[in-house]
Amino acid sequence: DTEVTQTPKHLVMGMTNKKSLKCEQHMGHRAMYWYKQKAKKPPELMFVYSYEKLSINESVPSRFSPECPNSSLLNLHLHALQPEDSALYLCASSQAPGQFSYEQYFGPGTRLTVT
Amino acid sequence: AQSVTQLDSHVSVSEGTPVLLRCNYSSSYSPSLFWYVQHPNKGLQLLLKYTSAATLVKGINGFEAEFKKSETSFHLTKPSAHMSDAAEYFCVVIKRGDYKLSFGAGTTVTVRA
Repeated sequence: DTEVTQTPKHLVMGMTNKKSLKCEQHMGHRAMYWYKQKAKKPPELMFVYSYEKLSINESVPSRFSPECPNSSLLNLHLHALQPEDSALYLCASSQAPGQFSYEQYFGPGTRLTVT
Repeated sequence: AQSVTQLDSHVSVSEGTPVLLRCNYSSSYSPSLFWYVQHPNKGLQLLLKYTSAATLVKGINGFEAEFKKSETSFHLTKPSAHMSDAAEYFCVVIKRGDYKLSFGAGTTVTVRA
C-alpha cells in the first residue's frame, strides 16, 4: 500500500479562523513533508519531519504550525491566514534518507481557499 | 546544489503517437532522479525513478526514461500516447542523503483525439 491520505479535500476559511489539515500514512515511513502548490507551479517545500522531529522549516510564516503526533500522522494548523495562502497543500512521506534518498509518496492534497 | 530544467513548457501530441518530455539537470553529486505526473486537482504520482542502477528505467503506464550522465539528461518517453496521459509532468532531482526535492517547472501534456 503506497497511499497517503489527506483530509479535508477542500477547505474554505476566513482570515480569522483556525483550522487544521491532516495527513496519514501507513507505509512505515519516518520522513513526512508539507508542500504548498500554486496553480501551474511545482510544489514548494514548507516543512520536513524526520523521526517525528521537525527537521526543516523553509522560513514559513508562523501562521502555519506543523505537528507530528506520531510516526503515521502529520498535521498542519492554520491561523490568521491571508488570501495569498490559498493553494493546494500536499503531504508526502518517504523512507528517511541515509546513504541514499528515496522517492516521496504524495497525498491527493487539500484545496484551501482563504476568504 | 541541484537544479532541473524542463525544456518544454507544453507538449501537444495526437493519441497513439510517441511522447517525449525533455529534462536536463545539474548536480554537484550523483543524484537520484524521478518523474512525477499530476492530473488536474490531484496529488503527484511517481512514474519512475533512477537511483544509479540501470540507466534505462521503466515506469508505470508504459513510460520509460534514460539517464545520460554525459548529457546530464533524463528524458521521459512513451511509445503511444493515450488520452489519459494528459496531465502535468515534473522532472525531479535529489541529492543522495537529502530530504529536499528540486523540481523542474513542469511540462503540460495535451493529447489530441
